[in-house]
Amino acid sequence: KQEVTQIPAALSVPEGENLVLNCSFTDSAIYNLQWFRQDPGKGLTSLLLIQSSQREQTSGRLNASLDKSSGRSTLYIAASQPGDSATYLCAVYSGSARQLTFGSGTQLTVLP
Amino acid sequence: DADVTQTPRNRITKTGKRIMLECSQTKGHDRMYWYRQDPGLGLRLIYYSFDVKDINKGEISDGYSVSRQAQAKFSLSLESAIPNQTALYFCATSDALGGGGDTQYFGPGTRLTVL
Repeated sequence: KQEVTQIPAALSVPEGENLVLNCSFTDSAIYNLQWFRQDPGKGLTSLLLIQSSQREQTSGRLNASLDKSSGRSTLYIAASQPGDSATYLCAVYSGSARQLTFGSGTQLTVLP
Repeated sequence: DADVTQTPRNRITKTGKRIMLECSQTKGHDRMYWYRQDPGLGLRLIYYSFDVKDINKGEISDGYSVSRQAQAKFSLSLESAIPNQTALYFCATSDALGGGGDTQYFGPGTRLTVL
């Protein structure tokens, strides 16, 4: 059974810092890995999707990497802003299970 | 208007009551999903549907049932609610162009409290 772990559970940084969120998964036979942002009362928003054949994806100040063989992904946020404050969720899609398995998230607070 | 809507947004009910949560989407996607989120546990899949005639159990389907009334509508029912079904419930959709594992689009969630 696939298990997804995110460390740390919570992170607080001053505005302007670059930061890294970590995600690990136990079964490397994944189809893709997705990073989501969750804001209170607004559901989840997809940030980046990395196919299993890719090493990284970038969108603006966000960069996500994938090392499938070691079961790890990182989400790098450059020059953090207070508006980045949210919970960030990592999820892996396993083709055999036909479903996403989510980590429990990292709650990020960026202080002005 | 939002692409994925959920009703109600908040619901408080009592043990033993039947509850239905509804989800509608205007994205034209074939695939729809129901998840629940508990503090510290992330999201877990309850049921998913790849088209109107294809409904599948997820990781935690016990105590729940679903109905796919149309491509755009997917309802989740709790036949006899119990307190440990208190959670945040999300509906999501995706298309199947990529053969699976496509980006999922989430509704705003329904906060359900069972007393």
